[in-house]
Amino acid sequence: GQQVMQIPQYQHVQEGEDFTTYCNSSTTLSNIQWYKQRPGGHPVFLIQLVKSGEVKKQKRLTFQFGEAKKNSSLHITATQTTDVGTYFCAGVDSNYQLIWGAGTKLIIKP
Amino acid sequence: KAGVTQTPRYLIKTRGQQVTLSCSPISGHRSVSWYQQTPGQGLQFLFEYFSETQRNKGNFPGRFSGRQFSNSRSEMNVSTLELGDSALYLCASSWTSSSTDTQYFGPGTRLTVL
Repeated sequence: GQQVMQIPQYQHVQEGEDFTTYCNSSTTLSNIQWYKQRPGGHPVFLIQLVKSGEVKKQKRLTFQFGEAKKNSSLHITATQTTDVGTYFCAGVDSNYQLIWGAGTKLIIKP
Repeated sequence: KAGVTQTPRYLIKTRGQQVTLSCSPISGHRSVSWYQQTPGQGLQFLFEYFSETQRNKGNFPGRFSGRQFSNSRSEMNVSTLELGDSALYLCASSWTSSSTDTQYFGPGTRLTVL
């Protein structure tokens, strides 16, 4: 079936460094959603991107949707300990199914 | 507005038993989706219910089943439990069954199968 590949699986950063996670689909997505799951918690909706080439910002978080609507990225500037968690993307495919990426776990090194 | 609630929060069962998990969606939400989450496997979609009808189903064996009631509350049942069924089971509710709707997740039920 259709898949959304998310990389990397894990990323260790020093506090203050930047972090980026990428999602790639082999087919065009109608939109993509991003969620964050804190350790021991449940996924919480962050944002939805719909338009080709769309860029949205939430404070230190920047979300992009590729021109071909096949890829997306989440970039965090100057990470803080509160950013720790797993970030998931979920894309809507041509069958209107929500396809989840496997998540990227952000770990802040002490 | 109260969030999505799931009961029980923790459950320990033995192989071969069956289990029923419950999910109460946010008031007004009519769609409930269920996911299985295991370490390193991300979120695996089980099924979605909308207005008491199963709309979508993931690639899980028939031992996994669900239903939704007229008040939108949902239950999922796993029969003949296996060790590999140990996981966090999350339910998520949304206003409609549209895949573009935001999913609001509950805290999950952590199932351990011994």
